[in-house]
Amino acid sequence: DVVLTQTPVSLSVTLGDQASISCRSSQSLVYSDGNTYLKWYLQKPGQSPQLLIYEVSNRFSGVPDRFIGSGSGTDFTLKISRVEPEDLGVYYCFQATHDPPTFGAGTKLELK
Amino acid sequence: QVTLKESGPGILQPSQTLSLTCTFSGFSLSTYGMGVGWIRQPSGKGLEWLANIWWDDDKYYNPSLKNRLTISKDTSNNQAFLKITNVDTADTATYYCAGGGGSPYWGQGVMVTVSS
Repeated sequence: DVVLTQTPVSLSVTLGDQASISCRSSQSLVYSDGNTYLKWYLQKPGQSPQLLIYEVSNRFSGVPDRFIGSGSGTDFTLKISRVEPEDLGVYYCFQATHDPPTFGAGTKLELK
Repeated sequence: QVTLKESGPGILQPSQTLSLTCTFSGFSLSTYGMGVGWIRQPSGKGLEWLANIWWDDDKYYNPSLKNRLTISKDTSNNQAFLKITNVDTADTATYYCAGGGGSPYWGQGVMVTVSS
């Protein structure tokens, strides 16, 4: 199975700061069709995960432009500029390029 | 607006079969490209993708549980189902369904406890 390693495990920020989360894959996530099926989710406390980013850098409907996904191959990053209170929770990267689909272990974003 | 809602038994005993239902609106599983997936999350832990079913009735199962899983759908009633046979305490988790093209929309989840 593809292992997605997220760093850091937790991240303490001040509101208005930038936050950056890394997701490294044990294999290239480029699929045979040329696309890279890497997504980012946010799970707020007591809620189900919500999709933020799909195919590395595409924001899902309604996601603010302060969420920016980037990367290629095996290295991916989610940046959140100007962290707001509603951004707090656990962030997961997820790959659907290889079977089985797998999630990273999560990065908890909390207030300093 | 796409919504999904999971339902299940709440609690069951080891060796029983877990039956879950996902009732959705806002998309149809008879439409090209649409699918529904099932994911679970033990309390305080990470996420595990279990199975998928697509508009053309193609199915995918996580190999780690493949022999125990059965996914199906009722297109007319906008429902998808997951059965897990021979459950044990390790199957205690919140179970989510996710749907749409690329399964971007998730339900609120249903807690399932396996206990004797």
